[in-house]
Amino acid sequence: SQQGEEDPQALSIQEGENATMNCSYKTSINNLQWYRQNSGRGLVHLILIRSNEREKHSGRLRVTLDTSKKSSSLLITASRAADTASYFCATDAGGQNFVFGPGTRLSVLP
Amino acid sequence: NAGVTQTPKFRVLKTGQSMTLLCAQDMNHEYMYWYRQDPGMGLRLIHYSVGEGTTAKGEVPDGYNVSRLKKQNFLLGLESAAPSQTSVYFCASTLLGASYEQYFGPGTRLTVT
Repeated sequence: SQQGEEDPQALSIQEGENATMNCSYKTSINNLQWYRQNSGRGLVHLILIRSNEREKHSGRLRVTLDTSKKSSSLLITASRAADTASYFCATDAGGQNFVFGPGTRLSVLP
Repeated sequence: NAGVTQTPKFRVLKTGQSMTLLCAQDMNHEYMYWYRQDPGMGLRLIHYSVGEGTTAKGEVPDGYNVSRLKKQNFLLGLESAAPSQTSVYFCASTLLGASYEQYFGPGTRLTVT
């Protein structure tokens, strides 16, 4: 069973708008990570947030974590066409493995 | 640094044939992983390794075998390919496990006819 589930499955926005995607998970975690995958490529790490953190920023990215709701959100501000990709959350549940959700496909239209 | 490399990039197999996918990393990472990615799904873990000479099963290990004879290499074998193994395979490595970011290879697209 998948630990993380992203929502929405797909999202289309105009360039310059903000994009928000969510990740829900089922069991307690030590950390949660977000990855980006461009079409036909491997995944690229974006940001890691630990269970004792509530918010983290990296450039135009803002990640929040609510452990009481077992959810996280990724906000991309002032989106660009180059942000078009699939975004995945990955969780660990105390082991050495990662569990990925099915991803959110983001399309940023010029 | 080349990071994580995978060979081959593409392969077409007939049902019943065997093949080995090679993953190599030059970052001195301890942990290495093999995933498969199917349309509309996230990555599913096939096997992983926490160090040279060690391997362990992931979520979907059936039909695959792995070996980690050298720290920098992680091999994924299909002994008798089946159409259900048509997928994109990704290798990844991380320094010391799930508290660290994973570095991914570019993927191998495998088609089994």
